[in-house]
Amino acid sequence: SAVISQKPSRDICQRGTSLTIQCQVDSQVTMMFWYRQQPGQSLTLIATANQGSEATYESGFVIDKFPISRPNLTFSTLTVSNMSPEDSSIYLCSAQQGPPSYEQYFGPGTRLTVT
Amino acid sequence: DQQVKQNSPSLSVQEGRISILNCDYTNSMFDYFLWYKKYPAEGPTFLISISSIKDKNEDGRFTVFLNKSAKHLSLHIVPSQPGDSAVYFCAAINTGTASKLTFGTGTRLQVTL
Repeated sequence: SAVISQKPSRDICQRGTSLTIQCQVDSQVTMMFWYRQQPGQSLTLIATANQGSEATYESGFVIDKFPISRPNLTFSTLTVSNMSPEDSSIYLCSAQQGPPSYEQYFGPGTRLTVT
Repeated sequence: DQQVKQNSPSLSVQEGRISILNCDYTNSMFDYFLWYKKYPAEGPTFLISISSIKDKNEDGRFTVFLNKSAKHLSLHIVPSQPGDSAVYFCAAINTGTASKLTFGTGTRLQVTL
């Protein structure tokens, strides 16, 4: 398994600003992902963070709104840009070693409130 | 289109009894399934997984059963303990095309004394 930390753990931001969330894994992993969990709902995949190349975004999520970086095999950032109250959510990163292992291990999450 | 469904949003079980959490899926291409537990203010914790080549996998108090023909899986917790009180998510993956997980909507389990 992998141990994952996220910073910040929570933040309250004003509409129109941006927040960058950091995700650090304690070992090198093949794949990293970013999810969103809105209140009372399931986890929704935002994008797969690819090391050395552009992230792969899921339907409904775009790079201009959620730019992602992954400079190496242990670190990734997600930026929530030009925030609105609808972006209030928990943002989670996860890591996976890759086949034949398919288990993903999650960070503690970042609770974002946009006012 | 919710490809992974957990039809029971909540479940209450007495301590020491069996908890059974259910999950249904619609995509026949899913071939690997996982269960996660989530406490408030924490990230999901991986519990147990099962490949579609098996119909049962056991790890301590946790057993997952897979019925491929019914596209149904269940998580059994025996005996249930108060510390098991959490939200449980099932997740599925098509290992042939991508590693992304599709999560169910979650079931909140409360284990009472």
